[in-house]
Amino acid sequence: DIQMTQSPSSMSVSLGDTVTITCRASQDVGIYVNWFQQKPGKSPRRMIYRATNLADGVPSRFSGSRSGSDYSLTISSLESEDVADYHCLQYDEYPYTFGAGTKLELK
Amino acid sequence: EVQLVESGGGLVQPGRSLKLSCAASGFTFSDYNMAWVRQAPKKGLEWVATIIYDGSRTYYRDSVKGRFTISRDNAKSTLYLQMDSLRSEDTATYYCATPVSPYWGQGVMVTVSS
Repeated sequence: DIQMTQSPSSMSVSLGDTVTITCRASQDVGIYVNWFQQKPGKSPRRMIYRATNLADGVPSRFSGSRSGSDYSLTISSLESEDVADYHCLQYDEYPYTFGAGTKLELK
Repeated sequence: EVQLVESGGGLVQPGRSLKLSCAASGFTFSDYNMAWVRQAPKKGLEWVATIIYDGSRTYYRDSVKGRFTISRDNAKSTLYLQMDSLRSEDTATYYCATPVSPYWGQGVMVTVSS
């Protein structure tokens, strides 16, 4: 199975910060990585698809990038509504695998 | 408006069965591969199973193979998950989803406990 090693597991942030979360794939997954935001008690929301594409309705302060087997989600100028859990997903092959998640908390 | 509405969750004893349903609306259900994704309390997301848009193929994570069956009825725009021989480690919120696309249900809780 492909492992998605997500870091950090948690992050203490301030409003206005630039935040970067990374997932490292254990083998090649190409562009087939999505990023999800999840708030407490809510369903995940797709933020980025195919590694670098902004999903519909997602603010432009969110971006996705890829460098080799490393996939990153960056939030520029963090706003209060961005404080949430974030998950990466590889869907290049079955079994699909998620990263362990990153929890953003306000300082 | 796209809606995925799960039902069928609840409290069940270990070794028993439960069947989840997911009613879809607002999009062409028969065009999409569908999946079940679960999340144990305070844990991360875990893909469970996927069924291809026409029902021709299914895929499962190893820990549920032989115990869970994913199926669909495209005429009714409904996805199912038959869960047999349930274990305590299956306790989770189960989401009906198109994880490749943006559609997710609100989730349904399944608790396996004696």
